[in-house]
Amino acid sequence: DARVTQTPRHKVTEMGQEVTMRCQPILGHNTVFWYRQTMMQGLELLAYFRNRAPLDDSGMPKDRFSAEMPDATLATLKIQPSEPRDSAVYFCASGWGGLGSEAFFGQGTRLTVV
Amino acid sequence: GQNIDQPTEMTATEGAIVQINCTYQTSGFNGLFWYQQHAGEAPTFLSYNVLDGLEEKGRFSSFLSRSKGYSYLLLKELQMKDSASYLCAVPHNQGGKLIFGQGTELSVKP
Repeated sequence: DARVTQTPRHKVTEMGQEVTMRCQPILGHNTVFWYRQTMMQGLELLAYFRNRAPLDDSGMPKDRFSAEMPDATLATLKIQPSEPRDSAVYFCASGWGGLGSEAFFGQGTRLTVV
Repeated sequence: GQNIDQPTEMTATEGAIVQINCTYQTSGFNGLFWYQQHAGEAPTFLSYNVLDGLEEKGRFSSFLSRSKGYSYLLLKELQMKDSASYLCAVPHNQGGKLIFGQGTELSVKP
């Protein structure tokens, strides 16, 4: 069945290391979102793409975070260098992009930076 | 910009009815979503309202009043498996930038 796939599911890394998270959106969806979830802040939108073009990444710390869609089947979120405060669950979601279209979420990547 | 307000947590009894409220302020309105998120899992879609009134879907119903900037999710015949976080979300514009509230953590007790 169609679903959003994220890898890895869990990642533990040391401060200063580069982290890359990957997302395969549902085939045919033209909108991709990256969210970060923490207990304190809830679900925060980091970036979103429409037809592979970045539409808004104002929620993302630009100095260390970058998001790309190399092709329609892959979205990436990279953190370089990582810091302990980046520890969170990172969700990717995809959708059709029209009015009322729901976002389908992947299972998330749980990132721990030590 | 958007501002979304929900109670942080609620407790209810198995078999009862619970109403989870959400108030929002948004520049331009493109509907309101409710999502359910079980601990350790991804959010999943529950409902979407764009017109005023009540939308019923089995044990779950969602209500919207655009003039009041208010929505609620009504859960009937509560089951233990309904213990989860319920998230209210509004799109910033048509089809994009879905902004979530902090979520309401619902605990269903026997």
